[in-house]
Amino acid sequence: GAVVSQHPSRVICKSGTSVKIECRSLDFQATTMFWYRQFPKQSLMLMATSNEGSKATYEQGVEKDKFLINHASLTLSTLTVTSAHPEDSSFYICSAHDSQETQYFGPGTRLLVL
Amino acid sequence: EDQVTQSPEALRLQEGESSSLNCSYTVSGLRGLFWYRQDPGKGPEFLFTLYSAGEEKEKERLKATLTKKESFLHITAPKPEDSATYLCAVPYNQGGKLIFGQGTELSVKP
Repeated sequence: GAVVSQHPSRVICKSGTSVKIECRSLDFQATTMFWYRQFPKQSLMLMATSNEGSKATYEQGVEKDKFLINHASLTLSTLTVTSAHPEDSSFYICSAHDSQETQYFGPGTRLLVL
Repeated sequence: EDQVTQSPEALRLQEGESSSLNCSYTVSGLRGLFWYRQDPGKGPEFLFTLYSAGEEKEKERLKATLTKKESFLHITAPKPEDSATYLCAVPYNQGGKLIFGQGTELSVKP
């Protein structure tokens, strides 16, 4: 199956700083990537759809100025959590879908804001 | 409204005790149903895609089936390493967005 990587796998930062998370499709091109957030014991919550070469589309209730998404190439999307606060601490997961519209997920990034 | 419901929420089995997980869906114009496995602290791992009623797919001890209203994930003679949360999802628009069920947390004891 297709491989999606994320970096970093874990990050701890101070409140007020910004954190960038990278998502890469390693063996296929992805015009569309997705960013999810997952709280303990809960299912995945879609935050935004990242489209290569255009602006991301955000789900209702997700602050686009706090969660900046850039999809600069067919294999890379980045999520920047700006001015992070403790309530932003969560597990962030990206995915990319192949030509069959099957979504493959990255390993996730654990963010802890102190 | 498009919806995906999984049951049970949690399932405890003894090693070798076969069982099934259920995923019920209501969506207009099904364009596939996906099963994923998620281990704690990791992203979901793709298992199967089913596209039409009557379709079945197998992988090791897992077999997924699909009807017009639901999908089943059958686990035959499970092993402790099958312990994980199993998620099903369906696309709900042309853009590829997925609706996920809440998942079934499977625990297999030796």
